[in-house]
Amino acid sequence: DAGVIQSPRHEVTEMGQEVTLRCKPISGHDYLFWYRQTMMRGLELLIYFNNNVPIDDSGMPEDRFSAKMPNASFSTLKIQPSEPRDSAVYFCASSTRQGDYEQYFGPGTRLTVT
Amino acid sequence: SQQGEEDPQALSIQEGENATMNCSYKTSINNLQWYRQNSGRGLVHLILIRSNEREKHSGRLRVTLDTSKKSSSLLITASRAADTASYFCATSGSARQLTFGSGTQLTVLP
Repeated sequence: DAGVIQSPRHEVTEMGQEVTLRCKPISGHDYLFWYRQTMMRGLELLIYFNNNVPIDDSGMPEDRFSAKMPNASFSTLKIQPSEPRDSAVYFCASSTRQGDYEQYFGPGTRLTVT
Repeated sequence: SQQGEEDPQALSIQEGENATMNCSYKTSINNLQWYRQNSGRGLVHLILIRSNEREKHSGRLRVTLDTSKKSSSLLITASRAADTASYFCATSGSARQLTFGSGTQLTVLP
C-alpha cells in the first residue's frame, strides 16, 4: 500500500491567494483527518470525516478554511484567501473503523504564505 | 487545545542509553498512543495502550499507563542514532479524534 498521499509537498504563495491541499487516504480507511502543525501551537486537528461526511470541524480556524471529501479516495483543504499566519505544515491522516483508532499520516504539505 | 503535555521537551543521550519520555493528560481516555516524527516527515504510530492496561512492550519500546495519575511513559531501550526524532503522545476518548501532546525532541548521539 502506498500509504496516505498528499500533494503538493511544498507550496509557496502570496497573501490573498487561494490554496488547495490534496489528500488520498489509504484504501479502505473510512476516517480522514486534517491537522495543522506549527511550532507555536503544535499539532492541531482541523476537521475529520467519516465515510466522506464531516463529523467535527470545530478546529477549523476561520471561514477562510474549508474542507471537502467528494469520495472515499480524495479530500481537499482549501484556504481562501490565504494569510501569512496560515504558514504551517498540514497533515492528512486516515484510519479504519477496526482497531483502536491508530492513525496513518501522510508526509505533509509545507505551506508558506508571504 | 492540546490535552497532553510531554516531559522533557528535549532529551539528549548517548547511543546505547535508555530514553524515557513522560506524558500527562487531563480527561478520561479509551487509549493512549505514542507516535514518532522524523524531521520533515509525517507522524508514525509506534504503540498503543488501552485504558485497562498498565504496561505494554513492542521491541525496544515499553509503555506504561497510570490512569489514576493521568500519565504515561515511553521507554526506549538501547537507543540508536536512528531513534533521533520527536515523540508525541496522543489520547483517544469516546470519539475517533486524537489529541496530541506537545512532543519530546530526542537526540541520540553516536
